[in-house]
Amino acid sequence: DIQMTQSPSSLSASVGDRVTITCRASQSISTYLNWYQQKPGKAPDLLIYAASSLQSGVPSRFSGSGSGTDFTLTISSLQPEDFATYYCQQSSSTPITFGQGTRLEIK
Amino acid sequence: QLLLQESGPGLVKPSETLSLTCTVSGGSISSSFYYWGWIRQPPGKGLEWIGSIYYTGSTYYNPSLKSRPTISLHTAKNQFFLRLSSVTAADTAVYYCVRGAGYNSLDFDSWGQGTLVTVSS
Repeated sequence: DIQMTQSPSSLSASVGDRVTITCRASQSISTYLNWYQQKPGKAPDLLIYAASSLQSGVPSRFSGSGSGTDFTLTISSLQPEDFATYYCQQSSSTPITFGQGTRLEIK
Repeated sequence: QLLLQESGPGLVKPSETLSLTCTVSGGSISSSFYYWGWIRQPPGKGLEWIGSIYYTGSTYYNPSLKSRPTISLHTAKNQFFLRLSSVTAADTAVYYCVRGAGYNSLDFDSWGQGTLVTVSS
């Protein structure tokens, strides 16, 4: 199985901050990497697919980059509605695996 | 607009079989562009992919679940199903049904609201 490791596990930031979350795969997954946002009590929402493509309806302050084993999710200017948990997921091969999540909290 | 809705018992006894239904509206599960699947999330924990099914009936499962899950579909009713046998307390989780899209049909672009299933006697 491909292991996905996110860092940090939690992060405190302020509205307007630029934030970066990283995700590392245990083997190369090309650009088969997705990012999801989950708010408490809700299902996850797809933010970024294929490492850097913005899902329809997602604000442009979200961006993704990377290939191979190292990936990043960047939020350019945090908004109040961005405080949530973020997960990466590899779609390179089954079994599909997710990172453990990064909880983004208000400072 | 595509909507997915899970339904099924919220309480299952240990050693019994968990059975859930996902009803899809606003789109057809017979589409050749998508897979349909199940993902679960234990309370306070991360996401675990259970498996996915294509409209032809072809399935993929997570080997970590040791042949316990079965995913099937009923195209005429636009529904797909999850059965998970021999459940234990470790199977207590919110279960989500999802649509898989993209190049590998493994980008989960639509999710149900989720249903909590508790395994307890």
